[in-house]
Amino acid sequence: AQTVTQSQPEMSVQEAETVTLSCTYDTSESDYYLFWYKQPPSRQMILVIRQEAYKQQNATENRFSVNFQKAAKSFSLKISDSQLGDAAMYFCAYRLYNNNDMRFGAGTRLTVKP
Amino acid sequence: NAGVMQNPRHLVRRRGQEARLRCSPMKGHSHVYWYRQLPEEGLKFMVYLQKENIIDESGMPKERFSAEFPKEGPSILRIQQVVRGDSAAYFCASSPPQHNPENIQYFGAGTRLSVL
Repeated sequence: AQTVTQSQPEMSVQEAETVTLSCTYDTSESDYYLFWYKQPPSRQMILVIRQEAYKQQNATENRFSVNFQKAAKSFSLKISDSQLGDAAMYFCAYRLYNNNDMRFGAGTRLTVKP
Repeated sequence: NAGVMQNPRHLVRRRGQEARLRCSPMKGHSHVYWYRQLPEEGLKFMVYLQKENIIDESGMPKERFSAEFPKEGPSILRIQQVVRGDSAAYFCASSPPQHNPENIQYFGAGTRLSVL
């Protein structure tokens, strides 16, 4: 079974600083996708960034980047120049390439201090 | 292009009543997924549907829960004889046809079900 683990229930960061959220997953498959979703207080699930497992290059979206370590089954999210609007729950998710359901971690609550 | 629309946003039911949650996918999307989120937890997959077909319901409870995605109209998640343990946020997501290799799922804002 594929499981996703986020070991940090809560994190905080000073505005304009950098923070890294951890995610590890367990799978015996080689073809899959990894995602980070953001859930602000509005509860909308917003896709932040995704990574295809076959790509060695780490995905980047503006201030968001990932550190994908396939052998270690690690997929951390780095948020640079943190902004107040980044405060939210962040969920790491895994999906097999030819599968339908995504497996989510339990989430990390990020607080941004002004 | 409107996003995934879920209604109602909040639904209150008494124990034993029925709950119906609706989801209209993004335009052009023919795949719908339902997830449940308990407080302080991540989303748990429930069911995956295409038009008029249930493709994967491995995450659905065996009793009282059902889902449909008719040819016309929204997808419906139906919970019969609700119990307090059904209180949760229910999220719907949609994605383009499967041949899209990215197959990103786009989420609605969720329906928060409260069972009194």
